[in-house]
Amino acid sequence: DTGVSQDPRHKITKRGQNVTFRCDPISEHNRLYWYRQTLGQGPEFLTYFQNEAQLEKSRLLSDRFSAERPKGSFSTLEIQRTEQGDSAMYLCASSNASGNLQPQHFGDGTRLSIL
Amino acid sequence: AQKVTQAQTEISVVEKEDVTLDCVYETRDTTYYLFWYKQPPSGELVFLIRRNSFDEQNEISGRYSWNFQKSTSSFNFTITASQVVDSAVYFCALRMDSSYKLIFGSGTRLLVRP
Repeated sequence: DTGVSQDPRHKITKRGQNVTFRCDPISEHNRLYWYRQTLGQGPEFLTYFQNEAQLEKSRLLSDRFSAERPKGSFSTLEIQRTEQGDSAMYLCASSNASGNLQPQHFGDGTRLSIL
Repeated sequence: AQKVTQAQTEISVVEKEDVTLDCVYETRDTTYYLFWYKQPPSGELVFLIRRNSFDEQNEISGRYSWNFQKSTSSFNFTITASQVVDSAVYFCALRMDSSYKLIFGSGTRLLVRP
């Protein structure tokens, strides 16, 4: 069973540049989530998709952030005009739709460093 | 507002000791779900256990057990006979029935010394 896959694992970029991350969920999972985790903190929710529909967005997701899941399979998270405060680990998770107790399964994350 | 508090920032035990990680949550919802995740040094969050708000039965699964008490809004997690491989950061998380987002605590770092 292939787990959640995220690419790249690390991204270093200069302030002001745009970056895009990719997440491939577990194949039978129709729910996909993005979280952000800074050092010493728990993950913070960013957004959630059910199939291709983006159903929930956090206030943390400013207008510089956009997420898509065009065919209900993989998802991308883009950050435009990156700022120092965007440095964090970006985590993707997926779950299936059967029941409310289904846990979210996480990928290894993409670590973003802004120079 | 919903919130998860893990008051223990760091715990250090010697191998084979039992250790309990505390979690206190806040919500006004009557239906909610609680989870524990483990984040080893490699970074990936690993799902451990889950419980819904209507099931206060406490269970044991291998070396893991949990104590869910709605009266005190606590969902504590115990590792019996700890091992060095248990060293990780442990997160408690809450999800309301009205949302799919997980609300995480700030984590407890567990160090198991040989």
